[in-house]
Amino acid sequence: EAQVTQNPRYLITVTGKKLTVTCSQNMNHEYMSWYRQDPGLGLRQIYYSMNVEVTDKGDVPEGYKVSRKEKRNFPLILESPSPNQTSLYFCASSLLVGLEAFFGQGTRLTVV
Amino acid sequence: ILNVEQSPQSLHVQEGDSTNFTCSFPSSNFYALHWYRWETAKSPEALFVMTLNGDEKKKGRISATLNTKEGYSYLYIKGSQPEDSATYLCACINTDKLIFGTGTRLQVFP
Repeated sequence: EAQVTQNPRYLITVTGKKLTVTCSQNMNHEYMSWYRQDPGLGLRQIYYSMNVEVTDKGDVPEGYKVSRKEKRNFPLILESPSPNQTSLYFCASSLLVGLEAFFGQGTRLTVV
Repeated sequence: ILNVEQSPQSLHVQEGDSTNFTCSFPSSNFYALHWYRWETAKSPEALFVMTLNGDEKKKGRISATLNTKEGYSYLYIKGSQPEDSATYLCACINTDKLIFGTGTRLQVFP
C-alpha cells in the first residue's frame, strides 16, 4: 500500500530533550516536506527536500533540522525542543514539487 | 511569502444545501493550485490539482474552477451531506514550496 508513515503519533517531552520524528514513504517520491499546524494558522512549511541530499528551509525553520540521506526517509529533528514547538506535525511527499501531496498520519507533540 | 487566503473561515449548512468556498492567491508566477480535504483526526487528502486558467475539475458532487489571471479558485459542493463535513484547504506552489491557506471548515447538519 502506497503510504507516508510518521512515528511517533503522539509525544510528550520536556524542554531541551532532543527528539526525532521519523517520516518514510514507499512511493519513490522525490519531494518531501514537513509542516506544522497550529490553530488559526493553517499548515506552515518547516523544511522541504527536492531530492536526496537536497534540503531547504520553509517558512518556519527555526529550531528544526532535517536530513535526506535516502530517498524514502526524511526525519525531523528538534535539537532542543521548547514549549512553542508544541504543535501537530505532518510529513508529506509528492512525486515532484507541484504534484499531489500525500500526507502522513500526523504527530502531536507536546513540549512541557 | 506567497499569501493564500480562503473564505469563509467556517460554514454551517443543512444537508442537501449546495455550497462554495473561495481561495485567493497572487496571480503572478502561478504554477499550480491544490485543493485538499481534511477530516478531523485524519490527514489531508488531495481533491484536485489544477494548473491551467479556466480549468474545471469534478469528483462526484465536488467540483472546482480556476482563474489564474485574477488569482482565485472556487470549490463547489452540490447537495452537501454530513460526510462532507471537513476542513477544505487550498495550496499554491511558490517556486519550491507548497503554501497553504488556513482552510474553510464546513459542517453539514442532518
